[in-house]
This record gives sequence, structure tokens and C-alpha cells, in this order.
Amino acid sequence: KAGVTQTPRYLIKTRGQQVTLSCSPISGHRSVSWYQQTPGQGLQFLFEYFSETQRNKGNFPGRFSGRQFSNSRSEMNVSTLELGDSALYLCASSYRTTRGEQFFGPGTRLTVL
Amino acid sequence: GQQLNQSPQSMFIQEGEDVSMNCTSSSIFNTWLWYKQDPGEGPVLLIALYKAGELTSNGRLTAQFGITRKDSFLNISASIPSDVGIYFCAGQLANAGNNRKLIWGLGTSLAVNP
Repeated sequence: KAGVTQTPRYLIKTRGQQVTLSCSPISGHRSVSWYQQTPGQGLQFLFEYFSETQRNKGNFPGRFSGRQFSNSRSEMNVSTLELGDSALYLCASSYRTTRGEQFFGPGTRLTVL
Repeated sequence: GQQLNQSPQSMFIQEGEDVSMNCTSSSIFNTWLWYKQDPGEGPVLLIALYKAGELTSNGRLTAQFGITRKDSFLNISASIPSDVGIYFCAGQLANAGNNRKLIWGLGTSLAVNP
């Protein structure tokens, strides 16, 4: 079974631009979570989607948004990029009925100049 | 946001040594997960724990769900160079209702000297 895939793997943007990242979960997984990872800050939870509905949201500004499609693929969007948005963005998928196990993709490394 | 207390923050050991790390919280959890992350990659699930007192092994790795449900530890026996990476604990709060997001530790960075 194929793992979680994320595209693109690397991205360079400038301040003020917007960016869209994509995540395809493991086949059959209906839940997708997004995280931001920066050195020393661990994994910061952005949001979780299940069956096209946002189920949980972290403490990020409204510039960070996401959505999930009927095939469970998910996208996250960051508008008006700031230098501090430079990070590794990770997507994780899971069966909703399991007790928390999440399986991660390789991440998208975003650099904002 | 809420985080787990993971320690130590970093470790530098000799190949062949055993390693122990742990996560603690003031809250009660119903799930503990241990992940390993290699540079430039996403975390990989190592061990999942679901019951207080549960002891689970995965090769040279052993993890336990603390009896109080507020802590967990991970042991690595006879470390090898490929054990290098960052180890994360994550937990799911008990009685979280619909808010079942994972709570994460800040990671333990492991370096192994061959």
C-alpha cells in the first residue's frame, strides 16, 4: 500500500505571496492532519480534516487554511506569506476509528525569502 | 498549545549502549505513540500503546505505557549508527471527546558514536 505523498517537496516563495501544498493520504484513510515543524518547536498542529470537514484546528492565524476533497486528498493554503512561515509542513493520515495512530508523508520544505 | 515534557532533549552515546527516554504530563492519556524522524523526512511510527502498563517491543525498541497513564518511556537496546535521529512521543488525551488531536513532545535528538 502506498504511503502518504506530499507535493511539492521543496518550495521557495517571497513575502506576501501565497502557497498551496497538497497531500494524498494512504488509500482508505479518511482523516488528514497538517503540522508545521520548525527547529526547536516540535510539531505544531494546524488542522485536521475528516470526510471533507474540519474537525480540529490549532492556534494558527487565519492566513492558514485547508480543505479536503471527496477522495480524501487535502490541500493547505498559506496566504500573505511571512518569513516566519518558513518550515517543514507535514501531512499525516489515519483511519478515524483507530486510537490516534497517524502516518506521515515526507513533508514540504517551504522557504520564504 | 499543550505539549508533553520529553526528556532528555538530546543524547550522545557510544555504539552498543542502551538508550532510555521518556515523556510525562500532568494529564491522563489513553494512547501513547513513539515516532522517529530522520533529517528531511516525516516521522515514522515505531510503537503504539493503548493500555496502562502495556509493554510493547519492536526489535531493539521497547516502550511502556505508564501505570498512572501520565507517562511513557522508550528504550533502545544495543544502539547502532542508524538509530541516529529525533524521537518524538505523542499522546491522545483521555476524555478528549471529539477533540482527539495528538499532543506532542519536543523530541529527543539521538547521536551515536560508532
